[in-house]
Order: sequence, then structure tokens, then C-alpha cells
Amino acid sequence: EAQVTQNPRYLITVTGKKLTVTCSQNMNHEYMSWYRQDPGLGLRQIYYSMNVEVTDKGDVPEGYKVSRKEKRNFPLILESPSPNQTSLYFCASGTGAPIYGYTFGSGTRLTVV
Amino acid sequence: AQKITQTQPGMFVQEKEAVTLDCTYDTSDPSYGLFWYKQPSSGEMIFLIYQGSYDQQNATEGRYSLNFQKARKSANLVISASQLGDSAMYFCAMREASFSGGYNKLIFGAGTRLAVHP
Repeated sequence: EAQVTQNPRYLITVTGKKLTVTCSQNMNHEYMSWYRQDPGLGLRQIYYSMNVEVTDKGDVPEGYKVSRKEKRNFPLILESPSPNQTSLYFCASGTGAPIYGYTFGSGTRLTVV
Repeated sequence: AQKITQTQPGMFVQEKEAVTLDCTYDTSDPSYGLFWYKQPSSGEMIFLIYQGSYDQQNATEGRYSLNFQKARKSANLVISASQLGDSAMYFCAMREASFSGGYNKLIFGAGTRLAVHP
């Protein structure tokens, strides 16, 4: 089954404790992206990747890191989480063809206390 | 700059009736794609329907149709014969299609929460 797999689904952590949210896709998509969703703001892009070793900042990159060492994986790293990073996070993948949107993972609900 | 506007934070509809969710967009690119996603209370993002900027006909997928008015830059979602399971958050999104070789991200509106009443 074609899918984007995110882990974990839920995470509660404390301020300053480094964490990684994993994302993996099995569709051989070139593009991968991370979004955060906050009430009233929709989904905003954090980082994206056009291919292996090619990443760039989205609209809200502060406090996040990413890497793309393999085509299928695109982890999101919070080196020192803060309470304002409490949010619902989505990983998504897609091809370069604009006719397609993205396939989304199931989401990770992160709470930083 | 590209922008998506959804002016209805919340809507409600009676079961079996039709409902229209509004979406306007702004872009200077002549080639783009418009999308609607559904987000139920479980949180996942479910793709509903797609409309390309050069498509002559409005897109339809089962009970979903997209009322595409290019000159007005609107892409409203119409749900016919609403069901209780349609209660969810709905997001309009756009992806430009420039051919410069650069990255074309998917941008979202703020969403509309739909409640279907029995």
C-alpha cells in the first residue's frame, strides 16, 4: 500500500529535550515536506526536500532541522523544543508534477511542556 | 505571492442537504493546481478533489464537486447530500506549476469546520 508513515503519533516532551519525528514513504517520491498545523492558521511548511541531500527552508523553519540521506526518509529534528512548538505535524511526499498534491502521513501531535 | 483564503471558519448543514465551502486564491502563475482536503477528528489529511488551472470542466468526485471560476479566482467545494460522516475540517490548497525547475509547494487556507446535523 502506498503510504507515508510518521512516528510517533503522539509525543509529550519537556522543554529542551531533543527529539526526532520520523517520516518514510514507499512511493519513490522526489519531494518530501514537513508542515505544522495550528488553529486558525492552516498548515504551514517548515522544511522541504526536492531530492536526496537537497533541502530548503519553508515558511516557519526556526527551531527545526531536517536531513534527507535516503530518498524514502525525511526526519524532522527539534534540537531544543520549546512550548511554542506544540502543534500537529504532518509529513508529506509528492512528485514534481503539479497535477498531484501530496500524500500525507497520519500526523504527529507534539506537546512540549 | 500565492495565497489561499477561506472566509468561513465554521459551517453547519442539515443531513442530506448540499453545502458549499468557499475558497479564493491569488497567484500570478497561469499554471496551477487546486486541491481540497478533508481532516476528520482523527487528524489525517484526506485528499478529496483536484482542479487544474487549464481544465475546462469543473472537477467532480462522487458527492464532491469543485465550482471553479477562474476569472474570480475562486474554487468552492460543493458537497451534495451531506452525511454525518462529512463533519470535519476542510482545507483548500494550491500548488503553482512554474517550469523554472524550482520547487512548487502546496499552500493551504486556514480551513472551514463543517458540522452536519441530523
